[in-house]
Amino acid sequence: TQLLEQSPQFLSIQEGENLTVYCNSSSVFSSLQWYRQEPGEGPVLLVTVVTGGEVKKLKRLTFQFGDARKDSSLHITAAQPGDTGLYLCAGVTAGGEYGNKLVFGAGTILRVKS
Amino acid sequence: DAGVTQSPTHLIKTRGQHVTLRCSPISGHKSVSWYQQVLGQGPQFIFQYYEKEERGRGNFPDRFSARQFPNYSSELNVNALLLGDSALYLCASSLFLWSTNEKLFFGSGTQLSVL
Repeated sequence: TQLLEQSPQFLSIQEGENLTVYCNSSSVFSSLQWYRQEPGEGPVLLVTVVTGGEVKKLKRLTFQFGDARKDSSLHITAAQPGDTGLYLCAGVTAGGEYGNKLVFGAGTILRVKS
Repeated sequence: DAGVTQSPTHLIKTRGQHVTLRCSPISGHKSVSWYQQVLGQGPQFIFQYYEKEERGRGNFPDRFSARQFPNYSSELNVNALLLGDSALYLCASSLFLWSTNEKLFFGSGTQLSVL
């Protein structure tokens, strides 16, 4: 069974602070995605990382995929109240003719106070 | 354009009952996936349907079933409900059998409470 562990589970910080969320697994994934989910809504894709060691930047968000494609991190610089939400990492397992599916971590709840 | 729509938004059932959840994908999308999100956990894959055929099944009991209609909408059925089935059920759609070459779009979900 492929499992993804996210840490921390909960993070409460002041506006302007930096933070990092970690996603770790003992399994290798073909790629990894990060989603953000707000209360009452479905997850929304932020980024997909595919290559081991890959780093992607999305404004104040920096995503990194580990060299062995088993772990990833999300770093937010100068957090804002609008960044508040549930951040989910998801490993992509290739299913061939059955299509791909996502294996999600339990998520990190981020609260940014103004 | 409308996104993925799910109905109902909220549902309360009692143990042993049956429930049907509905999903309409984005117009033109031919694949629908279902995920279960228990409070405090990430979503867990249940099914993927493409062109009306089941193309993937997660580790869920046979009480869970689904189908996809010619218009690509989908239903998720759960029989003999248990308290542990209480969760947010998410539907996601994609143009084709989902791969990371395209974006997966999630609906807002159906919140099912089993009493």
